[in-house]
Amino acid sequence: GESVGLHLPTLSVQEGDNSIINCAYSNSASDYFIWYKQESGKGPQFIIDIRSNMDKRQGQRVTVLLNKTVKHLSLQIAATQPGDSAVYFCAENDAYKLSFGAGTTVTVRA
Amino acid sequence: DVKVTQSSRYLVKRTGEKVFLECVQDMDHENMFWYRQDPGLGLRLIYFSYDVKMKEKGDIPEGYSVSREKKERFSLILESASTNQTSMYLCASSLGQGLNTEAFFGQGTRLTVV
Repeated sequence: GESVGLHLPTLSVQEGDNSIINCAYSNSASDYFIWYKQESGKGPQFIIDIRSNMDKRQGQRVTVLLNKTVKHLSLQIAATQPGDSAVYFCAENDAYKLSFGAGTTVTVRA
Repeated sequence: DVKVTQSSRYLVKRTGEKVFLECVQDMDHENMFWYRQDPGLGLRLIYFSYDVKMKEKGDIPEGYSVSREKKERFSLILESASTNQTSMYLCASSLGQGLNTEAFFGQGTRLTVV
């Protein structure tokens, strides 16, 4: 079946460095993707989204890249801060419901 | 700001009990969802609803049912709780069908079945 997955379950990053979190999806018909951040004890929170007619979208300190050829999505976080420590999920919009990957736990080292 | 509120943060129930998890959203969203979250498995969709009194099965509906009598409220029901239903349950809402917009999540209910 269709699935959305992340390449690595954990990522350790030095404070101040850039982080890159990857996600592969398998539904070539998907036209909308979202990155969520989940801090301990909280529900997932929206970070940034991208539609399939775009290759790149930038927010505040975050950039999402979409490569439709290889069905790959990435989230880049610039100048990673301790507050960026969380679990990050990519999600794929299938009609009006979202399918999620397993998540990547990002730990920021001081 | 959109607010999705789940009635309980933590619940402990006994095997065989009927359990109700309640969720309310205040942004007049058409779509509402129930997910469960388990380590290493991400978020898996249990049920969703795109309108009052409408419901659709998600990926793992077995052992669950839902109710949506009012637009703002979506309830998840465990007919007879079992230990394998111990999990974090997340409710979410989003704008109407056909619109690509993000889902907004509640804070989650951690259910333990003993």
